[in-house]
Amino acid sequence: AQSVTQLGSHVSVSEGALVLLRCNYSSSVPPYLFWYVQYPNQGLQLLLKYTTGATLVKGINGFEAEFKKSETSFHLTKPSAHMSDAAEYFCAVSPAGGTSYGKLTFGQGTILTVHP
Amino acid sequence: GAGVSQSPSNKVTEKGKDVELRCDPISGHTALYWYRQRLGQGLEFLIYFQGNSAPDKSGLPSDRFSAERTGESVSTLTIQRTQQEDSAVYLCASRPPMNTEAFFGQGTRLTVV
Repeated sequence: AQSVTQLGSHVSVSEGALVLLRCNYSSSVPPYLFWYVQYPNQGLQLLLKYTTGATLVKGINGFEAEFKKSETSFHLTKPSAHMSDAAEYFCAVSPAGGTSYGKLTFGQGTILTVHP
Repeated sequence: GAGVSQSPSNKVTEKGKDVELRCDPISGHTALYWYRQRLGQGLEFLIYFQGNSAPDKSGLPSDRFSAERTGESVSTLTIQRTQQEDSAVYLCASRPPMNTEAFFGQGTRLTVV
């Protein structure tokens, strides 16, 4: 079984400030981890993913996330927020193997607001 | 190239009617997912088709919900005797073999009145 918890349904930052969106997961098998973004009235788009290898992964639009196994976390960060980053962000987990390989479980989402 | 296509984009139906939602995945994608996104909520897993394996139906909320997939192509999600709580955006995604990224369609917004 797997689950994802995103701490904070809404996060508000000023333009230029650090963005930190929190994600913790629970998985009975080694997971793959993802962050997706959903802009208003659009579909979901992959920001970045962790599968194997380096635990700090970089994605599009200056976002990055670090897989911390000991903390079962995969928090998303961006050093300097831009107005165009305003969107809803979803963390997701997928088993890395087994019969449920590829099955994506999503968190509840975090709405990011960026103030000028 | 063509992405995941869902139709209709919007559907308004009367309570008690049956509806069919269609998903055309990206060609060659062996995995296909259906999710439900209620207003202000996250993505709720419904069903997962993976190649020739039996689908994972563990997320279907009741026996009013069913889904089929023809080979590695089109999938239809059917909701029988719709209820107001079925109102949501239904999202479809597909994923190629040996790849971890799922590609999402724009969704079908279902409103039950």
